[in-house]
Amino acid sequence: KAGVTQTPRYLIKTRGQQVTLSCSPISGHRSVSWYQQTPGQGLQFLFEYFSETQRNKGNFPGRFSGRQFSNSRSEMNVSTLELGDSALYLCASSGGTGKRTNEKLFFGSGTQLSVL
Amino acid sequence: AQKITQTQPGMFVQEKEAVTLDCTYDTSDPSYGLFWYKQPSSGEMIFLIYQGSYDQQNATEGRYSLNFQKARKSANLVISASQLGDSAMYFCAMKGTGANNLFFGTGTRLTVIP
Repeated sequence: KAGVTQTPRYLIKTRGQQVTLSCSPISGHRSVSWYQQTPGQGLQFLFEYFSETQRNKGNFPGRFSGRQFSNSRSEMNVSTLELGDSALYLCASSGGTGKRTNEKLFFGSGTQLSVL
Repeated sequence: AQKITQTQPGMFVQEKEAVTLDCTYDTSDPSYGLFWYKQPSSGEMIFLIYQGSYDQQNATEGRYSLNFQKARKSANLVISASQLGDSAMYFCAMKGTGANNLFFGTGTRLTVIP
């Protein structure tokens, strides 16, 4: 079974631009969540999608948005990029519904975004 | 609110020795799960071990074991017989019910010395 796939692996953008990151979950997984990892703030939850609906959202500005398609693939968009958006963006998928505490999240290798 | 604390920014261990990575947590949820993930330099988060709040026994997965002390709200990871490939960042995380989002600690960088 293929793992979680994130594309692209690296991105370089300039301030003010927008960017779209893609995540393909493990086959059969309906839950996709996104995390931002920075040296200063660590790992922070962005949002989670389940069956095309956003279920949870972290404390991030509205410039960060996402969506999930009927095949469970997800995209994350950041508009009007700021220098502080430079980070590793990790996507995770889960085969559960989120109702149980033992549902493991499987992560991709991430997209390293650099904003210049 | 949920909070995870990892107080060891870095740890060193000799190859073949055991090492304990500390994790304390805080939550008001009666039901929760605790996870440990390994993040090598490639960036991918690799699941290591899980402990449920109602589990009576400490979890074990191969060379990994979790020292769960509920009253102290601690969930320390023990790695036995360390290998060079164990050098990585290690994150403790917590999950509640009803959502697939994890709260992570700040991580511990483990370096295994030959």
